[in-house]
Amino acid sequence: EAGVTQFPSHSVIEKGQTVTLRCDPISGHDNLYWYRRVMGKEIKFLLHFVKESKQDESGMPNNRFLAERTGGTYSTLKVQPAELEDSGVYFCASSQERVGQGLRTNEKLFFGSGTQLSVL
Amino acid sequence: EDKVVQSPLSLVVHEGDTVTLNCSYEVTNFRSLLWYKQEKKAPTFLFMLTSSGIEKKSGRLSSILDKKELSSILNITATQTGDSAIYLCAVEPISSNDYKLSFGAGTTVTVRA
Repeated sequence: EAGVTQFPSHSVIEKGQTVTLRCDPISGHDNLYWYRRVMGKEIKFLLHFVKESKQDESGMPNNRFLAERTGGTYSTLKVQPAELEDSGVYFCASSQERVGQGLRTNEKLFFGSGTQLSVL
Repeated sequence: EDKVVQSPLSLVVHEGDTVTLNCSYEVTNFRSLLWYKQEKKAPTFLFMLTSSGIEKKSGRLSSILDKKELSSILNITATQTGDSAIYLCAVEPISSNDYKLSFGAGTTVTVRA
């Protein structure tokens, strides 16, 4: 079974440029999440999709960040324009559970390998 | 805001040693606590704990939750170099968006041969 895949694995851009990160969840997983870890800090929730709908985007830092999940399959996270403080690792995760049921004991949230974003 | 604190932040041990990692939390409407292992890439799931006092084991790893103390420990016995990783603790709340995990900063474990 293919896992959660993210592209690119690394991105180095200059301040003011635009970057688009992509996440392909595990096939059949309706729930897709974006998290990020900035230097020295904890992994923080950004937003949650159920299929193509945004369930919760309360963790998005500001309006320079735009996430989409057209067709309810893969998702993109665009940062425009990028700022220095956006540097970090952006993780995507997916899950099959229904919202409101929580993570079942034997089921898990599957993470991708992350995109390391460096804004210079 | 939910809070998860892990300790120590890092440690270095030798192969064969036993390691104990700590996680304490403050969360509204707790549902579960999860442990992940992050090597070079994706965090991988280790344990989910929902009930106090019930130890979960997987090989040389074990974990237990203490809801009274709002904490959990992760033990690794007979450590190997392959156990070198960042160990992440996260809590899952009961809420309308119950996947909004709150993570600790992680404990970096280095096992030397």
